[in-house]
Amino acid sequence: DVKVTQSSRYLVKRTGEKVFLECVQDMDHENMFWYRQDPGLGLRLIYFSYDVKMKEKGDIPEGYSVSREKKERFSLILESASTNQTSMYLCASSRPRRVEKLFFGSGTQLSVL
Amino acid sequence: AQSVTQPDIHITVSEGASLELRCNYSYGATPYLFWYVQSPGQGLQLLLKYFSGDTLVQGIKGFEAEFKRSQSSFNLRKPSVHWSDAAEYFCAVVLSSGSARQLTFGSGTQLTVLP
Repeated sequence: DVKVTQSSRYLVKRTGEKVFLECVQDMDHENMFWYRQDPGLGLRLIYFSYDVKMKEKGDIPEGYSVSREKKERFSLILESASTNQTSMYLCASSRPRRVEKLFFGSGTQLSVL
Repeated sequence: AQSVTQPDIHITVSEGASLELRCNYSYGATPYLFWYVQSPGQGLQLLLKYFSGDTLVQGIKGFEAEFKRSQSSFNLRKPSVHWSDAAEYFCAVVLSSGSARQLTFGSGTQLTVLP
């Protein structure tokens, strides 16, 4: 069974902390994504990676960075967490140009106090 | 600009009743269309998709959706709702030439099922 695993289900951090959200996929997918999900706004793409060490900004990259040192792992980094980054974060992966085969992790609910 | 609209933020139906969730899109060309479901504490799961051909598509869990080009709509339906269908539902759209990078999601519809 294919799997996208996000390391934490819930995280609570303080304003100004550096936060790492980890995502691992076991399907050898080239593409990996980080989305942010907020009530009434749906899912918004933060960053996208199409290969190891390759990344592309999504629609809302401000305040975030990413790291992809290995094909299976895609990390989202909040350099200095702020309260407006309290949200549900979803990781996903797919093969190139296989949008119908987009697999999601179960999400990390981040609260920044 | 491309957009996807789900007009209903929250819908409540009784178990056994029929269901229709609305989705409208604004694109310059015929897009690929998707419906996803998110159960509590879970990621998104693909219910069904439309790429081309028959405008009525069948998905998992007894759901279906109809693509209506003239109305720019892709509404999700189920004849008889089960309590386990309570979840949030997202419509998503991408141009046929696009990739998952360009997938645009609607704002979601929360479904509550009454016993």
